[in-house]
Amino acid sequence: GAGVSQSPSNKVTEKGKDVELRCDPISGHTALYWYRQSLGQGLEFLIYFQGNSAPDKSGLPSDRFSAERTGGSVSTLTIQRTQQEDSAVYLCASSPMDRDRSYEQYFGPGTRLTVT
Amino acid sequence: KQEVTQIPAALSVPEGENLVLNCSFTDSAIYNLQWFRQDPGKGLTSLLLIQSSQREQTSGRLNASLDKSSGRSTLYIAASQPGDSATYLCKKGNKLVFGAGTILRVKS
Repeated sequence: GAGVSQSPSNKVTEKGKDVELRCDPISGHTALYWYRQSLGQGLEFLIYFQGNSAPDKSGLPSDRFSAERTGGSVSTLTIQRTQQEDSAVYLCASSPMDRDRSYEQYFGPGTRLTVT
Repeated sequence: KQEVTQIPAALSVPEGENLVLNCSFTDSAIYNLQWFRQDPGKGLTSLLLIQSSQREQTSGRLNASLDKSSGRSTLYIAASQPGDSATYLCKKGNKLVFGAGTILRVKS
């Protein structure tokens, strides 16, 4: 079956511009996660959606970052007024109902963001 | 602060060798531990998931163990192959914390 998909695969933007990154989770998965992987860094948790519950935004690095999940499926991560330090690979993952964040996560291929 | 540490940071072995990758974590409260591999420029592929009630999981040449009391998990790779070359990451499930990874290179 189809896995997690992300678009675009690569995005180059100028400093100060806004960008939107999209994630299509596996059908039926109620939990969705966004992570960031910077060069030489580990994976950094950004935000977590579980069903209709309020998202856990505790990992978002600044108020320039926001995410939404429409209809419990597709999610969009928005970065406003991009900075060079935002350059990273943004990874999305989904899992089945996962109130305790304990179920197996399936990752998309990521979006490589480069801010020039 | 929740931390996950992976040792070694990098490992280079000849083809055919058995090897062990280590993952240690603070806070023994754990729901599960998941091992992934990441190929260059790609996303993460799940290898094994060990629930807190389990001690080990096996898939093919891979075996992962979990010792909650000592805060450790190991990933054992038997008869390594060049195709095993990748970065291996462990994740502590309930806190969504990843280790920095072990870069494995298997030489033919």
